Amino acid sequence: RKEVEQDPGPFNVPEGATVAFNCTYSNSASQSFFWYRQDCRKEPKLLMSVYSSGNEDGRFTAQLNRASQYISLLIRDSKLSDSATYLCVVNTPGTYKYIFGTGTRLKVLA
Amino acid sequence: NAGVMQNPRHLVRRRGQEARLRCSPMKGHSHVYWYRQLPEEGLKFMVYLQKENIIDESGMPKERFSAEFPKEGPSILRIQQVVRGDSAAYFCASSPLGSGGQETQYFGPGTRLLVL
Repeated sequence: RKEVEQDPGPFNVPEGATVAFNCTYSNSASQSFFWYRQDCRKEPKLLMSVYSSGNEDGRFTAQLNRASQYISLLIRDSKLSDSATYLCVVNTPGTYKYIFGTGTRLKVLA
Repeated sequence: NAGVMQNPRHLVRRRGQEARLRCSPMKGHSHVYWYRQLPEEGLKFMVYLQKENIIDESGMPKERFSAEFPKEGPSILRIQQVVRGDSAAYFCASSPLGSGGQETQYFGPGTRLLVL
């Protein structure tokens, strides 16, 4: 089983739609979770950290479910500019490695 | 405040040559991470360095690859005798502290290596 798994997509959604991605992780000791966004041929950029109680940043909401070992990202009112690959990132305490998922591609259509 | 800088942005090498990739962390950051991204794949951790120290190189191939972060100057990822399979995007990230990975990592624009 991969350490971090994501549905590769693509998710094709119309502008204004709500879309959600899940990401599962295998190490129950994982403590830090992040969503990064990567545009084609660009570097990953931090979208948001994921906190235990869930957190929201504008149109973006991140949730953590420790019991089922997954994190989620919800995007409301999708914009064309949201089209990108969304990377789930997990870190385990005591290590310095970020474990990246392979990403979920989102295409927002006009 | 300049971000993480990497150079060159694109590098073409023939099989057997050496590739040197440079990374200057953000100002105030003393921790550097190198990742490799193959086409259509996720980023894979290679090595984590602090100034003058390699902390974790568990993701780096045992042969041909080496990394350093000297007291002065950028971090260098060196690939000797490159092969076609080394063609990838190599990203560097930095963080101000390396407290067990709790710190956010900020990524540079990457170096795209093409081996002919």
